[in-house]
Amino acid sequence: AQKVTQAQTEISVVEKEDVTLDCVYETRDTTYYLFWYKQPPSGELVFLIRRNSFDEQNEISGRYSWNFQKSTSSFNFTITASQVVDSAVYFCALKIGSGDKLTFGTGTRLAVRP
Amino acid sequence: DAMVIQNPRYQVTQFGKPVTLSCSQTLNHNVMYWYQQKSSQAPKLLFHYYDKDFNNEADTPDNFQSRRPNTSFCFLDIRSPGLGDAAMYLCATSRDLADSSYNEQFFGPGTRLTVL
Repeated sequence: AQKVTQAQTEISVVEKEDVTLDCVYETRDTTYYLFWYKQPPSGELVFLIRRNSFDEQNEISGRYSWNFQKSTSSFNFTITASQVVDSAVYFCALKIGSGDKLTFGTGTRLAVRP
Repeated sequence: DAMVIQNPRYQVTQFGKPVTLSCSQTLNHNVMYWYQQKSSQAPKLLFHYYDKDFNNEADTPDNFQSRRPNTSFCFLDIRSPGLGDAAMYLCATSRDLADSSYNEQFFGPGTRLTVL
């Protein structure tokens, strides 16, 4: 069975601070995909990134960066110089190669204060 | 812009009164999904269609049904809504399934269902 753990339920930071959202996953499959989604107050889940299990390269996209480490089964997400618009719930999710289902973590609510 | 559209955004129904939620997509994706998300919880997959093939999750109640008359549209029917069915219902699409370079899911804005 697959499992995704986001231990941080809520994080509050002041604007311009850096913040890291943790994600730890469990799977016995060797082929799998990891995702991050953002859910702002409007409710829509916005796709941010996908990583497959064979690609451990870290990725940077503007103020966003992702650190994938198979050795610790983690796929952490860092926002640099946070902004109020980053306030949302962030979900980490896992899909195994042979399955159709996204297994979501419980989400981390990020509040960025001006 | 290609997108996933859900109507209505807010739906109020009465206990036991059938309700239908709709989803349409302009992405021409093969797969369409329905998720239920209750307050402060992660989305929970109800079922999905790969083209016309329907795949129901084992723990999805019989009260929930779905139809996909064509590639663009998918409907969620709740036959007899209970108070516990009040939730956000999210529709998503993906170009392909599982072990594919095109398996990321794109979500619509959701329909928030209230049951009185």
